[in-house]
Amino acid sequence: AQSVTQPDIHITVSEGASLELRCNYSYGATPYLFWYVQSPGQGLQLLLKYFSGDTLVQGIKGFEAEFKRSQSSFNLRKPSVHWSDAAEYFCAANNQAGTALIFGKGTTLSVSS
Amino acid sequence: DSGVTQTPKHLITATGQRVTLRCSPRSGDLSVYWYQQSLDQGLQFLIQYYNGEERAKGNILERFSAQQFPDLHSELNLSSLELGDSALYFCASSPSGRSDEQYFGPGTRLTVT
Repeated sequence: AQSVTQPDIHITVSEGASLELRCNYSYGATPYLFWYVQSPGQGLQLLLKYFSGDTLVQGIKGFEAEFKRSQSSFNLRKPSVHWSDAAEYFCAANNQAGTALIFGKGTTLSVSS
Repeated sequence: DSGVTQTPKHLITATGQRVTLRCSPRSGDLSVYWYQQSLDQGLQFLIQYYNGEERAKGNILERFSAQQFPDLHSELNLSSLELGDSALYFCASSPSGRSDEQYFGPGTRLTVT
Protein backbone atom coordinates (compact mmCIF):
# COMPACT_ATOMS: atom_id res chain seq x y z
CA ALA A 1 0.00 0.00 0.00
CA GLN A 2 1.11 3.53 -0.67
CA SER A 3 2.42 5.36 2.34
CA VAL A 4 4.39 8.41 3.38
CA THR A 5 6.58 8.19 6.44
CA GLN A 6 8.05 11.01 8.45
CA PRO A 7 10.36 9.28 10.93
CA ASP A 8 10.78 12.25 13.27
CA ILE A 9 7.76 13.27 15.33
CA HIS A 10 9.47 16.26 16.93
CA ILE A 11 12.70 18.13 16.16
CA THR A 12 14.26 21.04 18.00
CA VAL A 13 16.75 23.25 16.18
CA SER A 14 18.60 26.33 17.35
CA GLU A 15 17.79 29.56 15.58
CA GLY A 16 20.28 30.07 12.76
CA ALA A 17 21.14 26.38 12.51
CA SER A 18 20.40 24.25 9.49
CA LEU A 19 17.38 22.00 9.26
CA GLU A 20 16.59 18.72 7.55
CA LEU A 21 13.21 17.01 7.87
CA ARG A 22 12.99 13.48 6.58
CA CYS A 23 10.32 11.98 4.39
CA ASN A 24 10.16 8.53 2.82
CA TYR A 25 7.51 7.21 0.50
CA SER A 26 6.33 3.81 -0.56
CA TYR A 27 4.94 3.93 -4.06
CA GLY A 28 4.73 1.85 -7.25
CA ALA A 29 6.17 4.57 -9.44
CA THR A 30 7.57 8.05 -8.96
CA PRO A 31 4.92 10.01 -7.14
CA TYR A 32 4.27 13.69 -7.13
CA LEU A 33 5.65 14.91 -3.82
CA PHE A 34 4.80 17.89 -1.68
CA TRP A 35 5.78 19.58 1.54
CA TYR A 36 3.21 21.58 3.48
CA VAL A 37 3.56 23.64 6.65
CA GLN A 38 0.86 24.14 9.26
CA SER A 39 1.24 26.90 11.84
CA PRO A 40 -0.82 26.62 15.04
CA GLY A 41 -4.49 27.21 14.32
CA GLN A 42 -3.84 27.63 10.62
CA GLY A 43 -4.46 25.67 7.47
CA LEU A 44 -1.78 23.98 5.42
CA GLN A 45 0.45 26.08 3.23
CA LEU A 46 2.26 24.55 0.26
CA LEU A 47 6.03 24.99 0.60
CA LEU A 48 7.18 23.20 -2.51
CA LYS A 49 6.39 20.39 -4.90
CA TYR A 50 8.19 17.85 -7.09
CA PHE A 51 6.60 16.48 -10.23
CA SER A 52 9.59 15.59 -12.42
CA GLY A 53 12.88 16.96 -13.72
CA ASP A 54 15.48 18.58 -11.49
CA THR A 55 15.60 16.60 -8.27
CA LEU A 56 16.41 19.66 -6.16
CA VAL A 57 13.38 21.89 -5.87
CA GLN A 58 13.18 25.34 -4.36
CA GLY A 59 10.21 26.50 -2.41
CA ILE A 60 8.95 29.47 -0.49
CA LYS A 61 10.44 30.84 2.73
CA GLY A 62 13.95 29.64 1.82
CA PHE A 63 13.10 25.93 1.87
CA GLU A 64 14.33 23.35 -0.59
CA ALA A 65 13.86 19.61 -0.96
CA GLU A 66 15.74 16.89 -2.76
CA PHE A 67 14.13 13.89 -4.40
CA LYS A 68 16.26 10.75 -4.19
CA ARG A 69 14.71 7.87 -6.07
CA SER A 70 17.26 5.34 -4.80
CA GLN A 71 16.33 6.13 -1.21
CA SER A 72 12.61 6.78 -1.82
CA SER A 73 13.13 10.04 0.01
CA PHE A 74 12.13 13.66 -0.32
CA ASN A 75 13.82 15.49 2.53
CA LEU A 76 13.15 19.13 3.30
CA ARG A 77 16.04 21.44 4.11
CA LYS A 78 16.69 25.00 5.15
CA PRO A 79 20.18 26.42 5.67
CA SER A 80 19.30 28.78 8.52
CA VAL A 81 16.17 28.41 10.62
CA HIS A 82 14.23 31.40 11.95
CA TRP A 83 12.01 31.38 15.03
CA SER A 84 9.01 31.91 12.75
CA ASP A 85 9.67 28.51 11.14
CA ALA A 86 8.36 26.75 14.25
CA ALA A 87 5.35 24.81 12.98
CA GLU A 88 4.25 21.35 11.91
CA TYR A 89 5.54 20.09 8.59
CA PHE A 90 3.79 17.51 6.45
CA CYS A 91 5.17 15.53 3.57
CA ALA A 92 2.60 14.27 1.07
CA ALA A 93 2.39 12.25 -2.11
CA ASN A 94 -0.42 11.90 -4.60
CA ASN A 95 -2.18 8.54 -4.59
CA GLN A 96 -1.69 6.38 -7.65
CA ALA A 97 -5.08 7.35 -9.03
CA GLY A 98 -3.97 10.95 -8.75
CA THR A 99 -7.15 11.85 -6.93
CA ALA A 100 -5.93 12.69 -3.43
CA LEU A 101 -2.90 13.31 -1.28
CA ILE A 102 -1.48 10.83 1.19
CA PHE A 103 0.09 12.61 4.12
CA GLY A 104 2.75 11.62 6.57
CA LYS A 105 2.03 11.99 10.29
CA GLY A 106 3.92 15.27 10.41
CA THR A 107 7.04 16.57 12.14
CA THR A 108 6.75 19.31 14.72
CA LEU A 109 9.62 21.76 14.54
CA SER A 110 10.58 23.77 17.60
CA VAL A 111 13.16 26.55 17.33
CA SER A 112 15.25 27.42 20.36
CA SER A 113 17.00 30.75 20.87
CA ASP B 1 -4.21 33.37 2.26
CA SER B 2 -4.79 30.40 -0.06
CA GLY B 3 -8.01 31.74 -1.54
CA VAL B 4 -9.99 28.79 -0.18
CA THR B 5 -12.61 29.79 2.36
CA GLN B 6 -14.32 27.60 4.92
CA THR B 7 -17.18 28.33 7.26
CA PRO B 8 -17.72 28.14 10.13
CA LYS B 9 -14.30 28.31 11.83
CA HIS B 10 -15.52 26.52 14.92
CA LEU B 11 -18.51 24.34 15.59
CA ILE B 12 -19.56 22.81 18.88
CA THR B 13 -22.42 20.37 18.88
CA ALA B 14 -23.79 17.38 20.73
CA THR B 15 -23.65 13.70 19.93
CA GLY B 16 -26.35 12.56 17.55
CA GLN B 17 -26.63 15.91 15.85
CA ARG B 18 -26.03 16.86 12.22
CA VAL B 19 -23.82 19.66 10.92
CA THR B 20 -22.90 21.14 7.56
CA LEU B 21 -19.47 22.50 6.73
CA ARG B 22 -19.05 24.81 3.78
CA CYS B 23 -16.15 25.39 1.43
CA SER B 24 -15.54 27.82 -1.42
CA PRO B 25 -12.62 26.89 -3.68
CA ARG B 26 -10.08 29.25 -5.20
CA SER B 27 -11.34 31.13 -8.20
CA GLY B 28 -11.01 28.90 -11.25
CA ASP B 29 -10.40 25.66 -9.37
CA LEU B 30 -12.74 22.86 -10.37
CA SER B 31 -11.78 20.26 -7.79
CA VAL B 32 -12.65 20.26 -4.11
CA TYR B 33 -11.24 17.81 -1.59
CA TRP B 34 -12.24 17.20 2.00
CA TYR B 35 -9.79 15.98 4.62
CA GLN B 36 -10.13 15.16 8.30
CA GLN B 37 -7.28 15.87 10.70
CA SER B 38 -7.35 14.15 14.07
CA LEU B 39 -4.65 13.43 16.62
CA ASP B 40 -4.84 9.66 16.25
CA GLN B 41 -5.44 9.34 12.48
CA GLY B 42 -3.52 12.34 11.18
CA LEU B 43 -4.65 13.89 7.91
CA GLN B 44 -7.00 11.61 6.03
CA PHE B 45 -8.62 12.11 2.66
CA LEU B 46 -12.40 11.87 2.75
CA ILE B 47 -13.79 12.70 -0.67
CA GLN B 48 -13.13 14.61 -3.88
CA TYR B 49 -15.49 16.40 -6.23
CA TYR B 50 -14.62 17.63 -9.68
CA ASN B 51 -16.89 20.10 -11.44
CA GLY B 52 -19.93 18.91 -9.54
CA GLU B 53 -19.30 15.19 -9.80
CA GLU B 54 -17.91 12.87 -7.16
CA ARG B 55 -14.44 11.82 -8.34
CA ALA B 56 -12.94 9.79 -5.54
CA LYS B 57 -13.72 8.50 -2.08
CA GLY B 58 -11.33 7.92 0.74
CA ASN B 59 -11.98 7.00 4.35
CA ILE B 60 -15.38 8.65 4.50
CA LEU B 61 -17.94 7.20 6.87
CA GLU B 62 -21.44 6.38 5.65
CA ARG B 63 -22.76 8.98 8.11
CA PHE B 64 -20.88 11.63 6.14
CA SER B 65 -21.81 12.96 2.73
CA ALA B 66 -20.77 15.80 0.50
CA GLN B 67 -21.79 17.61 -2.62
CA GLN B 68 -20.45 20.26 -4.96
CA PHE B 69 -22.84 22.82 -6.32
CA PRO B 70 -22.96 24.49 -9.77
CA ASP B 71 -21.09 27.51 -8.42
CA LEU B 72 -18.40 24.99 -7.32
CA HIS B 73 -18.73 25.54 -3.60
CA SER B 74 -18.97 22.35 -1.60
CA GLU B 75 -20.66 21.21 1.57
CA LEU B 76 -19.72 18.34 3.85
CA ASN B 77 -22.59 16.96 5.87
CA LEU B 78 -21.86 15.03 9.05
CA SER B 79 -24.75 13.26 10.75
CA SER B 80 -25.37 11.13 13.85
CA LEU B 81 -22.27 12.71 15.27
CA GLU B 82 -20.09 10.80 17.70
CA LEU B 83 -17.40 12.01 20.07
CA GLY B 84 -14.79 10.53 17.75
CA ASP B 85 -15.86 12.83 14.94
CA SER B 86 -14.28 15.76 16.78
CA ALA B 87 -11.52 16.91 14.46
CA LEU B 88 -10.30 19.62 12.15
CA TYR B 89 -11.94 19.38 8.74
CA PHE B 90 -10.06 20.86 5.82
CA CYS B 91 -11.23 21.68 2.38
CA ALA B 92 -8.69 21.97 -0.43
CA SER B 93 -9.03 22.91 -4.06
CA SER B 94 -6.99 22.39 -7.21
CA PRO B 95 -7.34 23.48 -10.81
CA SER B 96 -8.00 20.03 -12.26
CA GLY B 97 -8.81 16.64 -10.84
CA ARG B 98 -5.48 14.90 -11.00
CA SER B 99 -2.27 15.20 -9.06
CA ASP B 100 -2.19 18.96 -8.84
CA GLU B 101 -0.91 20.79 -5.87
CA GLN B 102 -3.82 21.37 -3.54
CA TYR B 103 -4.53 24.63 -1.76
CA PHE B 104 -6.01 24.29 1.69
CA GLY B 105 -8.53 26.39 3.53
CA PRO B 106 -8.14 27.36 7.19
CA GLY B 107 -10.28 24.46 8.37
CA THR B 108 -13.36 24.02 10.51
CA ARG B 109 -12.76 22.75 14.02
CA LEU B 110 -15.61 20.48 15.05
CA THR B 111 -16.10 19.61 18.69
CA VAL B 112 -18.71 17.00 19.55
CA THR B 113 -19.71 16.93 23.23
